[in-house]
Amino acid sequence: EAQVTQNPRYLITVTGKKLTVTCSQNMNHEYMSWYRQDPGLGLRQIYYSMNVEVTDKGDVPEGYKVSRKEKRNFPLILESPSPNQTSLYFCASSSSPLDTQYFGPGTRLTVL
Amino acid sequence: DAKTTQPNSMESNEEEPVHLPCNHSTISGTDYIHWYRQLPSQGPEYVIHGLTSNVNNRMASLAIAEDRKSSTLILHRATLRDAAVYYCILIADYKLSFGAGTTVTVRA
Repeated sequence: EAQVTQNPRYLITVTGKKLTVTCSQNMNHEYMSWYRQDPGLGLRQIYYSMNVEVTDKGDVPEGYKVSRKEKRNFPLILESPSPNQTSLYFCASSSSPLDTQYFGPGTRLTVL
Repeated sequence: DAKTTQPNSMESNEEEPVHLPCNHSTISGTDYIHWYRQLPSQGPEYVIHGLTSNVNNRMASLAIAEDRKSSTLILHRATLRDAAVYYCILIADYKLSFGAGTTVTVRA
């Protein structure tokens, strides 16, 4: 089954404790991206990647890092999480930015 | 970046059509218009997209104004399963920008 998976689905952590949210897709997609969703603000793009080793900032990259060492994986790294990063996070993949984006199920992160 | 403007919410009765407007007055010639929807507790899913011509698929129709400064997503017969947040986005280059979307409520 073609899908985008994210782990963990739910995470409660404390300020300053580094964490990684994994994203994996099995569709051989070139383009992957991360979004955060907050009430009233819709989805905002954090980072995107056009291909392996090629990443770039979206609209709200501050406080986040990403890497793309393999085509199928695109982890989101929070080196020092803060409470304002409490949000619902979605990973997405597609053949290109202009093609259908396939979204993962979301990761709900709470930073205390 | 070109932005979109959508109403915050719309209501419809089941089995009736729903017309969702989207304004994108600063659209450029190479921007594609995409629509996604997000059902409760799920990630967004693709609905339809177009560039200049009207488009139809099994889920909906997309009507694009001649000057491309606005578009309308048409759900021909709303069902309860169509209750969702609908996002109109413009895609150019490699960045995607979603707004707050339109929350559609369908009354039985």
